[in-house]
Amino acid sequence: AQTVTQSQPEMSVQEAETVTLSCTYDTSESDYYLFWYKQPPSRQMILVIRQEAYKQQNATENRFSVNFQKAAKSFSLKISDSQLGDAAMYFCAYRSAGYGGSQGNLIFGKGTKLSVKP
Amino acid sequence: DSGVTQTPKHLITATGQRVTLRCSPRSGDLSVYWYQQSLDQGLQFLIQYYNGEERAKGNILERFSAQQFPDLHSELNLSSLELGDSALYFCASSVDLYVPRNEQFFGPGTRLTVL
Repeated sequence: AQTVTQSQPEMSVQEAETVTLSCTYDTSESDYYLFWYKQPPSRQMILVIRQEAYKQQNATENRFSVNFQKAAKSFSLKISDSQLGDAAMYFCAYRSAGYGGSQGNLIFGKGTKLSVKP
Repeated sequence: DSGVTQTPKHLITATGQRVTLRCSPRSGDLSVYWYQQSLDQGLQFLIQYYNGEERAKGNILERFSAQQFPDLHSELNLSSLELGDSALYFCASSVDLYVPRNEQFFGPGTRLTVL
């Protein structure tokens, strides 16, 4: 079974600075997808960025980028120019690329609570 | 706004009771997923439906059941409730079953408190 581990329960960053959130995962599959979700105090789950395992190029979405190391099974999220609105819980998630069955659901890490200091 | 709606937003009930949580997926989405978020277990997948049929089960208790109706809305039924069932229950939808890169859009969740 696949597992996702986020080893940093809490992180803090100064506004306008850069912060990196860590995520490692365990799988025997070669094809899969990785996601970072943001959960602000409103509790809404918001997709931040996704990475396809067969793509070597790291995904980027504006101020958010990932460092995907497939061999190390590592998937970290970098937030540049941090803003107060970035304060939230961040969840790393895994999804198998297999079709149908239980492979379609997301497997989440425990989350990292990010605080942004003004 | 993700386009996924969940009712009610909050639910307070007593141990031993039964409740029903409702989810309406985004227009055109055929696949519905239910997740439970609790302090001790984190975010866990419960069950998935696609176009009215159950497709996958995760860590769902036997006291819990779900269904997806012809209009594609889904209901999660929780019975013989225990204190430990207190959690935030999310519904998510995606357009289909066979394209795993497609985003799952999450509803706002239903906060269940069992007293």
